Amino acid sequence: QKEVEQDPGPLSVPEGAIVSLNCTYSNSAFQYFMWYRQYSRKGPELLMYTYSSGNKEDGRFTAQVDKSSKYISLFIRDSQPSDSATYLCAMKIGGGADGLTFGKGTHLIIQP
Amino acid sequence: GAVVSQHPSWVICKSGTSVKIECRSLDFQATTMFWYRQFPKQSLMLMATSNEGSKATYEQGVEKDKFLINHASLTLSTLTVTSAHPEDSSFYICSATGLDWETQYFGPGTRLLVL
Repeated sequence: QKEVEQDPGPLSVPEGAIVSLNCTYSNSAFQYFMWYRQYSRKGPELLMYTYSSGNKEDGRFTAQVDKSSKYISLFIRDSQPSDSATYLCAMKIGGGADGLTFGKGTHLIIQP
Repeated sequence: GAVVSQHPSWVICKSGTSVKIECRSLDFQATTMFWYRQFPKQSLMLMATSNEGSKATYEQGVEKDKFLINHASLTLSTLTVTSAHPEDSSFYICSATGLDWETQYFGPGTRLLVL
């Protein structure tokens, strides 16, 4: 069993739809959870950073963490074609400068 | 702000040669830098963590004598793939943290093809 599971997609939705992306993980020691967006041939860009369980909202993006279920989600409201990219979940155990454990990434396509 | 660059963006080399990849933080001092590797359809995998002026810490299964990491300054880390073989062909990407150690800023990556 991999530490972080993420459906690679592709996930195709029409413009304006609400997008739901998620990851499951096996290591209950993970405390810090992140979502990155990666465009083709570019490095990952941090979208959301959350600690422990709960919700965090930033503009059209909402991140949710359910540690009891070992399940994290990213919601994108009013999706735009420019949101088309690969979305990576990542997590780490400690709060310091630790390396991240990534999911495979979900390829998202927003149809105009 | 918080820009990380990598050079080269892609490289093709012959089997048995060594390749050096540079990772630079352009507008902040990177106390810690990380090197990841990504094979096709796989997730980014952490290879090693380096702090300026210290030896790198390698993840289990990563050969430190094959993947030489140098972090000689607060803005530059290098990864040298020694005696590269076709199975080393991959996407190598670095990241860096500064005073805001919670956030890792990633470079654009380097695609290595070993023939």
